[in-house]
Amino acid sequence: QVQLVESGGGVVQPGGSLRLSCSASGFTFSNYAMHWVRQAPGKGLEWVAFIGYDGSNRYYADSVKGRFTISRDNSKNTLSLEMNTLRTEDTAVYYCGGRSCTGAVCYGPYMDVWGKGTTVIVSS
Amino acid sequence: QSVLTQPPSASGTPGQRVTISCSGSSSNIGSNYIYWYQQLPGTAPKLLMYRNNQRPSGVPDRFSGSNSGTSGSLAISGLRSEDEADYYCAAWDDRLSGVIFGGGTKLTVL
Repeated sequence: QVQLVESGGGVVQPGGSLRLSCSASGFTFSNYAMHWVRQAPGKGLEWVAFIGYDGSNRYYADSVKGRFTISRDNSKNTLSLEMNTLRTEDTAVYYCGGRSCTGAVCYGPYMDVWGKGTTVIVSS
Repeated sequence: QSVLTQPPSASGTPGQRVTISCSGSSSNIGSNYIYWYQQLPGTAPKLLMYRNNQRPSGVPDRFSGSNSGTSGSLAISGLRSEDEADYYCAAWDDRLSGVIFGGGTKLTVL
């Protein structure tokens, strides 16, 4: 079945780094535009980053620009989020989500497949 | 503070019709589609509405969406206990070059 599984979350000190992964199965991952979305404890959803189906387009929220890098390996059906210079406010559940889109305009918030999330805690 | 403004809470009794609003600006809702997500407690968000008023397969027709100018709304008719959840609107923002979410509306079925 269609599935996204996030991994790589954990506890890290402020200023530290972490790499999240999102493993896809049950569908043609290389046709999917993908996002990372996070949710701080007790808070709402916050979009983090987007990457096009072929990795050619990438967008970031201002809050993570310059610190986070989204990437994908279509040969391994994997989406990644490299997080550096982590802050306490980055503490959240991180979800990957996406939809089948290989056109020119795929960056909208259209995500019909989601993972269950991985938890990142930034604390000293 | 979210760029898209939603009421923090809404409520209704079973069978009632409830509407959740989402207010934005010309750089987001005014020029791009609205999307709606439902998040049940402890679960990942689920796409409820795309391109203003399109329902994904499996979403009951009790749910409907609309977009007018720089605001939009989600309507739920025939309210059911299983509709109790958090609801989020989202849109692309041309000025920010990014996706923005509303702050979310907690729907309580009384």
